Amino acid sequence: GAVVSQHPSRVICKSGTSVKIECRSLDFQATTMFWYRQFPKKSLMLMATSNEGSKATYEQGVEKDKFLINHASLTLSTLTVTSAHPEDSSFYICSANSGRANNEQFFGPGTRLTVL
Amino acid sequence: AQTVTQSQPEMSVQEAETVTLSCTYDTSESNYYLFWYKQPPSRQMILVIRQEAYKQQNATENRFSVNFQKAAKSFSLKISDSQLGDTAMYFCAFMPWDNDMRFGAGTRLTVKP
Repeated sequence: GAVVSQHPSRVICKSGTSVKIECRSLDFQATTMFWYRQFPKKSLMLMATSNEGSKATYEQGVEKDKFLINHASLTLSTLTVTSAHPEDSSFYICSANSGRANNEQFFGPGTRLTVL
Repeated sequence: AQTVTQSQPEMSVQEAETVTLSCTYDTSESNYYLFWYKQPPSRQMILVIRQEAYKQQNATENRFSVNFQKAAKSFSLKISDSQLGDTAMYFCAFMPWDNDMRFGAGTRLTVKP
């Protein structure tokens, strides 16, 4: 099956710094990648949809300038949390669309961000 | 806007028994996909089963099956012969053709020995 990786798996940073999270499709090309945020014991909330070579589409209420998304290649999308604050602490999950007829998405293992 | 509702925050079942998790959704779309995902303590999302809305036949994957009622917008998951490894959060998800997947709030399933 298709594999999606995320790096880092865990990150702790100080308030005010920026953190970059990478999402890679390891054995397939992903024209579309998705970024989700999951609070403890809550569901996944879609933050943005990332298409290779174009600007990301953000969900209502998600700050574009705070959560910068870059999808520079068919196998890599990055999420940068800028000027992080403690309330940005969360579990961030990416997924990638395989482009197959059934539109199956494959999920990364997630990144736990803790902002001190 | 599409919404997905899972009305059972927590459920438990005895090992080897059968349990059904409920999911309803709201949409004006006629073509879409429905999914059940499992999220164990590792937090990795694992696809359990998928249903295409245009297919009338209910999807099955080994011990997992769904009861898809398109008119009622219902998509329940049945787990037969429950195993301890089935203990996890289960999310129902809806995805129209444009690929934006929406998740329900989740059901925490505990399989008791």
